[in-house]
Amino acid sequence: QVQLQESGPGLVKPSETLSLTCTVSGGSISSGGHYWMWIRQHPGKGLEWIGYIYYSGSTYYNPSLKSLVTISLDTSKNQFSLKLNSVTAADTAVYYCARSMDLGPGYDAFDIWGQGTMVSVSP
Amino acid sequence: DIQMTQSPSTLSASVGDRVTITCRASQSVRMWLAWYQQKPGKAPQLLIYKASTLQSGVPSRFSGSGSGTEFTLTISSLQPDDFATYYCQQYDRFWTFGQGTKVEIK
Repeated sequence: QVQLQESGPGLVKPSETLSLTCTVSGGSISSGGHYWMWIRQHPGKGLEWIGYIYYSGSTYYNPSLKSLVTISLDTSKNQFSLKLNSVTAADTAVYYCARSMDLGPGYDAFDIWGQGTMVSVSP
Repeated sequence: DIQMTQSPSTLSASVGDRVTITCRASQSVRMWLAWYQQKPGKAPQLLIYKASTLQSGVPSRFSGSGSGTEFTLTISSLQPDDFATYYCQQYDRFWTFGQGTKVEIK
């Protein structure tokens, strides 16, 4: 059974770069068909999709964050990563990685999620 | 961007009640609509995809309907484990979530 696990610092200083990694176990990130996602949830708020990476390495980012976000893939470690530049207090949130289903062409719902990791931006 | 609007934002109900949550899209998302349940401190869990298809392992008291711009999630008989926040999500064009509906104990 595929599982996802986020890891990274829980505290980042303003203007610095937030870096998180999602480790995939129980399946290969290179098997194709799935989009690998980052989503965040501000405290007490709803869910915001950040972006995805496909097994081929292609990416797409939420336009509201596009200039600040980079998502990359490390197939040798079965991991994908998120970098968010120039963070502010507004980036304080729980960050989730997730996988979309593989039911055919186009996009799909997210069937597997990591447990989430809280990241605070503070001096 | 496709905007998703859920109603109500909060719903008070009792065990055994039939509960309905509505989700409206700012433009047609055809049938590409999912519902998630989230409990405090936990990641969301997929309940329904393609508007009405129950995810494996999800109890049959959950059902979804709709297409285009209007969708509903129904819980036929609310159970203690169902008190949670529910989100809709469109995936016709990328992904957008609704703001959530909290189902609380009356």
